[in-house]
This record gives sequence, C-alpha cells and structure tokens, in this order.
Amino acid sequence: GENVEQHPSTLSVQEGDSAVIKCTYSDSASNYFPWYKQELGKRPQLIIDIRSNVGEKKDQRIAVTLNKTAKHFSLHITETQPEDSAVYFCAATIANAGGTSYGKLTFGQGTILTVHP
Amino acid sequence: DTGVSQNPRHKITKRGQNVTFRCDPISEHNRLYWYRQTLGQGPEFLTYFQNEAQLEKSRLLSDRFSAERPKGSFSTLEIQRTEQGDSAMYLCASSLEGNRYGYTFGSGTRLTVV
Repeated sequence: GENVEQHPSTLSVQEGDSAVIKCTYSDSASNYFPWYKQELGKRPQLIIDIRSNVGEKKDQRIAVTLNKTAKHFSLHITETQPEDSAVYFCAATIANAGGTSYGKLTFGQGTILTVHP
Repeated sequence: DTGVSQNPRHKITKRGQNVTFRCDPISEHNRLYWYRQTLGQGPEFLTYFQNEAQLEKSRLLSDRFSAERPKGSFSTLEIQRTEQGDSAMYLCASSLEGNRYGYTFGSGTRLTVV
C-alpha cells in the first residue's frame, strides 16, 4: 500500500520568513495530493491540493510543487504569520481520471509549524 | 453550518465497555470515510462507504470495530470491548462523486478509555 513520509516533524520560523515542508510517497499510482492544516483540537482543513497533471499550484502565500519522477511534493508558505502556526499534514490518494472520485487518503506524520512574532 | 457533524465530541469509557459514534456527512455527499488519529500522528484510514456499501476496510479495523451506513446517509462506528489502545480521535469525512473539492472532515470524537 501507499506510504507517505513527511519532514520535518517540527519547524520554527520567524514571522515573515518562508516555510517549506516536504513529503515523499511510494505508490506511483497516486495522483492527488492534498495538504491539510489542523489547529489544536480542530478538524483538518484543506488548504491546497495538487493533481499529478500539474507540477505547481499557487494560492496567495501558499504553493505546492510536485515531482512525479522523484515521487515527492512540497508545501511552501511565504511571508509567514503567527496565525499560520498549526500542524500541517500532507496526504496522497488515487483519484479517478476526472479527479472527481477519491479513495482513502494516506497521511504523512505531520509537521508542527511555529511562527514566532 | 452544513458541514460534517460528529457526535459525541468527547467520550470517556471504562475498559471493556462498548461505544458507538455517529457521523452525519454533508447531505449530498455519497462517500463517507472513518479515520483514527492519535496524538502527534496523521489520521489513519479505517474504512469508507459509497452510499450504503462498505468499499474498503483497513487491517487496523479489528473484529471489535464495526461500521455501518444503513441508508446511505449517517454512519455509525462501534467499538466493542474497548481497550486503552483505542483511545484516539475518531474523524469522519465525506466527499461527493463528481465534485473536485475532495474531502470535508468533521471535528471528530475524542475517545478516552480508562
């Protein structure tokens, strides 16, 4: 089955700096890679996702890159703010050709991001 | 809020007791997933349904665990003869076939077995 490794487990940055979190996956059939932000005691919330037919996607201060050959994908947060402090999880799954049907998600172990004011 | 609803939010039970959790997905979502999350770890897949059919179960789902979605709407997850190792957050998520927006998670049920 799929295995997702995530690094680093903790990341501490100063406000305004960039943060990068990296994940690798094992199943070359995986083609949908979401990132979730989870604040303490709250539900995981989707912040950005990428499908295997693109190499990069950006949404304001957040971007995700995907290298299918190397089977790794990364989350980039620029101009970090204290409210970005949370646990971030990457995940992988196989979606159908239209990207409209999803099986189970396999999650990474999580990265605790702390942004110091 | 028309998101995914889970009840109860917290459950404390004695070892050996049975517990049941409920998940109400977003009304039009036909897929429903159960995950378990322990402290400091990512969610682990347990099982998922398409409508009322249970399509996949993880090997993590021992014989003490059973999940149902009898009418293709809400789902229940029952744990029989609870053990301390069952203590975790149980998360439910739903998605809609044909929708490109992926999963929506509920807030979870935190189980503590004492």
